[in-house]
Amino acid sequence: DQQVKQNSPSLSVQEGRISILNCDYTNSMFDYFLWYKKYPAEGPTFLISISSIKDKNEDGRFTVFLNKSAKHLSLHIVPSQPGDSAVYFCAGLLHGGSQGNLIFGKGTKLSVKP
Amino acid sequence: DVKVTQSSRYLVKRTGEKVFLECVQDMDHENMFWYRQDPGLGLRLIYFSYDVKMKEKGDIPEGYSVSREKKERFSLILESASTNQTSMYLCASSLNRGANYGYTFGSGTRLTVV
Repeated sequence: DQQVKQNSPSLSVQEGRISILNCDYTNSMFDYFLWYKKYPAEGPTFLISISSIKDKNEDGRFTVFLNKSAKHLSLHIVPSQPGDSAVYFCAGLLHGGSQGNLIFGKGTKLSVKP
Repeated sequence: DVKVTQSSRYLVKRTGEKVFLECVQDMDHENMFWYRQDPGLGLRLIYFSYDVKMKEKGDIPEGYSVSREKKERFSLILESASTNQTSMYLCASSLNRGANYGYTFGSGTRLTVV
């Protein structure tokens, strides 16, 4: 059973516009949520995180929103740039989890067109 | 900055060969992980380790084994490589169980089994 779901495998956005990447989860015990960005032939790199007790965290062009009642989070990128084109993974962090700390979604491939 | 180094970026091996993928981290992290990434399937956990000589199975351990003789090194072993093990392999480490900044990933090893 997937505990973290990214239902959109891909997203295409025009440069300068907003990119919104969505993530749903089923496990209420996640303590943090993290977003990773991955370019082809490279390892994922940490982008931004949010505590489960917060509803928003902002870092430059990147903002993550958490709606606990809906078990939904989203990553907003404003304005989008061609260099943002990558696969974005959403992950839930589970303290004391039996299969490692992080549970990943399957990723969303973002394409930002010039 | 934490560095996670994977010994090879690209490998080509023959079916039936025994394959070793090496991963070294330089920040004294307790936890180390091996994932594989395949299109449409996201990041799938193969094995992980919370301490030296300790290992636990992840979601897809079949056909793999691991070795952690030293804290900084975590090796993934394909006992008899098969074509369905062609994939991108990613090693990661984290400071402790429950740290809220997640994992640091290596750059990945693209393995092709022919």
